[in-house]
Amino acid sequence: QKEVEQNSGPLSVPEGAIASLNCTYSDRGSQSFFWYRQYSGKSPELIMFIYSNGDKEDGRFTAQLNKASQYVSLLIRDSQPSDSATYLCAVKGGSSASKIIFGSGTRLSIRP
Amino acid sequence: SQTIHQWPATLVQPVGSPLSLECTVEGTSNPNLYWYRQAAGRGLQLLFYSVGIGQISSEVPQNLSASRPQDRQFILSSKKLLLSDSGFYLCAFGRTEAFFGQGTRLTVV
Repeated sequence: QKEVEQNSGPLSVPEGAIASLNCTYSDRGSQSFFWYRQYSGKSPELIMFIYSNGDKEDGRFTAQLNKASQYVSLLIRDSQPSDSATYLCAVKGGSSASKIIFGSGTRLSIRP
Repeated sequence: SQTIHQWPATLVQPVGSPLSLECTVEGTSNPNLYWYRQAAGRGLQLLFYSVGIGQISSEVPQNLSASRPQDRQFILSSKKLLLSDSGFYLCAFGRTEAFFGQGTRLTVV
């Protein structure tokens, strides 16, 4: 079982709609959860982090965490063409406090 | 402000040649440091991480090694490159989140 799992996509969403990205993790001791956006050929950039169960909102982005289900999600409202990228879920903590493990990423495409 | 420098941006090396990639961080002290590799179209594979000078945790046994000779310097090395070492190498730093450098695209020929 992979430590962090994501659907590879591609996920195609019409412009203006809500994009929903999901991630599951295997280590129940994980403490911190991150979403990164990566444009083709570029390095990942952090867009959201969440530590506690529930929702965390930042502009058009909402991260959701459910530790009991070992599930993290990212919602992007009012999707724009510039949101087309690969979204990487990352998990920190658990067996090693400082280790950060990434999922393989979900490719998101926003169609005009 | 905190910044990370990683160089070179691209590198073409023959099979069997040595490798040294360097990453330095400014504007912070005692950061966690990470080396990741990303194969084409794939996710990020954690190679090494360090929580302090001289402390290196290896995640993947292979012909790569890492060193942290100074607090804000992280070096990735290989004595003999393999074709399978080709990829996008990313250095990252941070105490809670991880912030990435611009990466080095390595092609082994």
